[in-house]
Amino acid sequence: KQEVTQIPAALSVPEGENLVLNCSFTDSAIYNLQWFRQDPGKGLTSLLLIQSSQREQTSGRLNASLDKSSGRSTLYIAASQPGDSATYLCAVLTGAGSYQLTFGKGTKLSVIP
Amino acid sequence: GAVVSQHPSWVICKSGTSVKIECRSLDFQATTMFWYRQFPKQSLMLMATSNEGSKATYEQGVEKDKFLINHASLTLSTLTVTSAHPEDSSFYICSARAAGLRNYGYTFGSGTRLTVV
Repeated sequence: KQEVTQIPAALSVPEGENLVLNCSFTDSAIYNLQWFRQDPGKGLTSLLLIQSSQREQTSGRLNASLDKSSGRSTLYIAASQPGDSATYLCAVLTGAGSYQLTFGKGTKLSVIP
Repeated sequence: GAVVSQHPSWVICKSGTSVKIECRSLDFQATTMFWYRQFPKQSLMLMATSNEGSKATYEQGVEKDKFLINHASLTLSTLTVTSAHPEDSSFYICSARAAGLRNYGYTFGSGTRLTVV
């Protein structure tokens, strides 16, 4: 059974700092890995999608890497802003048929002005 | 881009009543939709997989008679919480995957906050 772990569970940084969020998964047989952002009481917003054949994806100040063989992904946020404060979720797509997403518990990020 | 609309965004109901939550894919056809439940400070837990035109597949521990799922069209799936009780209070989120787009990301609705009083 696929398990996804995110470290740290919570992170507080001053505005302007660069930061890294970590995600690990137990079964390397994934189709892709997706990073989401969730604001309190809201749904999920997709940030980056990395296919199993890719090593990284970039969008603006965000960069996500994937090391499928070691079961790890990182989300790098450059020049953090207070508006980046949210919970960041990592999810991997595995399985045949319905292609289920397995989520980590998330990292709650607080960027202090 | 792919957009999923979920309605209502919040609902308060009395214990014993039923509540229906709708999930619509606005600009793509979704052969498969997923329903998740999220407790405070917890991650999303998959409840069931909804396939258009067939019965939903429920995860272990999820009561199919309590959480009725209907996916009658390629753009609409509904989750009905029947005979709701306070312990059913939670945040419910749907997501959709377009037909044949295994290599694309999933799109999520904005969620429904259910409070049973």
